[in-house]
Amino acid sequence: AQSVTQPDIHITVSEGASLELRCNYSYGATPYLFWYVQSPGQGLQLLLKYFSGDTLVQGIKGFEAEFKRSQSSFNLRKPSVHWSDAAEYFCAGGYQKVTFGTGTKLQVIP
Amino acid sequence: NAGVTQTPKFQVLKTGQSMTLQCAQDMNHNSMYWYQQDPGMGLRLIYYSASEGTTDKGEVPNGYNVSRLNKREFSLRLESAAPSQTSVYFCASSQTLRTGPTGELFFGEGSRLTVL
Repeated sequence: AQSVTQPDIHITVSEGASLELRCNYSYGATPYLFWYVQSPGQGLQLLLKYFSGDTLVQGIKGFEAEFKRSQSSFNLRKPSVHWSDAAEYFCAGGYQKVTFGTGTKLQVIP
Repeated sequence: NAGVTQTPKFQVLKTGQSMTLQCAQDMNHNSMYWYQQDPGMGLRLIYYSASEGTTDKGEVPNGYNVSRLNKREFSLRLESAAPSQTSVYFCASSQTLRTGPTGELFFGEGSRLTVL
């Protein structure tokens, strides 16, 4: 089945440290991929998206993601994490039917 | 700008009761979606409508029906609610791009449903 997988349920990083959240996809052709963030009790906000072209995608709030076809991955990165980045992050993908991974909850410690 | 509006925001039902969640978008988007969110499960797609007049099953359609009333509105109906349907439901919409795929999804604020 076409899907995305987030292998990490929970990640803890220190404020100021770098961050990488993993996402693997399973699609036959080039997928359309997204990263969303959800703060507690809130809706979902788009961080970035990849449709085609440059495999390194810049998003909002200093996030970026790299599409690697050879590894079927679309990992989210940030060079220096801020306490306000604590939230749940979702990878999503699809064509017209968009499905989500199970999410990675990020905890930021001072 | 209203974006995607869901009603009601909260609802408590008894087992066996029926209800309809309403969703409307004012962005002239082609595609609309209903997702279910439970802790540790991410967002699971219930049904989607790629364009007005079409609906398709998602990952977890059992126990639900949908209606794409017009381009703006996409409703989700629970015919006979069960405790397992206690969840937060999100409606979303997107613009189908010229080449076919969907663009960014815009989400409503969610509807929290409790089935006793």
